[in-house]
Amino acid sequence: GENVEQHPSTLSVQEGDSAVIKCTYSDSASNYFPWYKQELGKGPQLIIDIRSNVGEKKDQRIAVTLNKTAKHFSLHITETQPEDSAVYFCAASSNTDKLIFGTGTRLQVFP
Amino acid sequence: DSGVTQTPKHLITATGQRVTLRCSPRSGDLSVYWYQQSLDQGLQFLIHYYNGEERAKGNILERFSAQQFPDLHSELNLSSLELGDSALYFCASSVALRSAESPLHFGNGTRLTVT
Repeated sequence: GENVEQHPSTLSVQEGDSAVIKCTYSDSASNYFPWYKQELGKGPQLIIDIRSNVGEKKDQRIAVTLNKTAKHFSLHITETQPEDSAVYFCAASSNTDKLIFGTGTRLQVFP
Repeated sequence: DSGVTQTPKHLITATGQRVTLRCSPRSGDLSVYWYQQSLDQGLQFLIHYYNGEERAKGNILERFSAQQFPDLHSELNLSSLELGDSALYFCASSVALRSAESPLHFGNGTRLTVT
């Protein structure tokens, strides 16, 4: 079945450094890859997404890359700030009605 | 604010009981998804409804059921509750039928504690 693996489970960085979170997916038909940020006590919020016809997408300090051949995609956060501290989830969706999430990465940015 | 409303925010109940969680999607959204998030776990897909019809099921237990009403709000019913059912339950909505076509917008969840 469809599966999404996410690494690392926790990540600590110094303010200003970059953070990278990686995910792999199993369903080769997957064509949509969103990333969500979940702050304490809240639901996940979409921060960026990418479709299979694009290799990279950037939005200010956040970028996502996709390697369809290897079936993996990554989230890159540059110039991290304390407010970036949260749990980040990757997800993958094929042309079905399911969006399958990874297990999450707890990012801590220390001032 | 995502525009998705979930009630109640917190629910404490005993084993063997039944509860109903409610979700009001964003205005105009026809799809409603339910996810379960256990402690330190990811988001497990439970079920998806589109315009009142069930579209997909994930790892939803037989003790759990859901429905989407004509006004598009949805309810998740959990019965014969067990300690292991304690979790955060999230509802998400989107405008499209397929999750790849439009983003999911999540509510702030219902925290269920079974004692």
